[in-house]
Amino acid sequence: DQQVKQNSPSLSVQEGRISILNCDYTNSMFDYFLWYKKYPAEGPTFLISISSIKDKNEDGRFTVFLNKSAKHLSLHIVPSQPGDSAVYFCAASYSNSGYALNFGKGTSLLVTP
Amino acid sequence: DAEITQSPRHKITETGRQVTLACHQTWNHNNMFWYRQDLGHGLRLIHYSYGVQDTNKGEVSDGYSVSRSNTEDLPLTLESAASSQTSVYFCASSPGRGPKSTDTQYFGPGTRLTVL
Repeated sequence: DQQVKQNSPSLSVQEGRISILNCDYTNSMFDYFLWYKKYPAEGPTFLISISSIKDKNEDGRFTVFLNKSAKHLSLHIVPSQPGDSAVYFCAASYSNSGYALNFGKGTSLLVTP
Repeated sequence: DAEITQSPRHKITETGRQVTLACHQTWNHNNMFWYRQDLGHGLRLIHYSYGVQDTNKGEVSDGYSVSRSNTEDLPLTLESAASSQTSVYFCASSPGRGPKSTDTQYFGPGTRLTVL
């Protein structure tokens, strides 16, 4: 069963506005969360991560928020740029499970000029 | 620059043939992983290794095998290719030396495999 869920297959946002990508998880043992970005015909590239001891992590235009009680995390991109158009994958792991990651199905973001 | 490479980038094979996909990383990472990406499924873990001579099965390991004879390489073998194994395959590596909460996987460019 899918332990990491990205329920929105696609999202369209205007350039300059905020993009919010959501991710839900079912395994309460997850303690490390990552976002990857993937362009067509390329491998996923690491974007940003957050440990469960934090509720927010920021890196430039990208901010990840973690709500442990709701088992929900979100990625905010502000301001959105056309180059941000890609598929975004949410992933999670927990300390006692080893280093393997559980991935969501991805959300395709389109930023329009 | 250190990197992770996959070869071939594209492969067409026939049902029943044995196929090996190569993955090579120059970061000296302990951990290496193989994933497949299919429409509607995201990335699913096939096999992984935490070091030389260590291999482990992932979520979708049936029909696949790996071996780790050195730090740099983790080849993925399809013993007898099936049409259901048509997919895009990604290799990844991670340091695996520090706390698990800081370990980040870095991905190769992928291999598109078609089994006819």
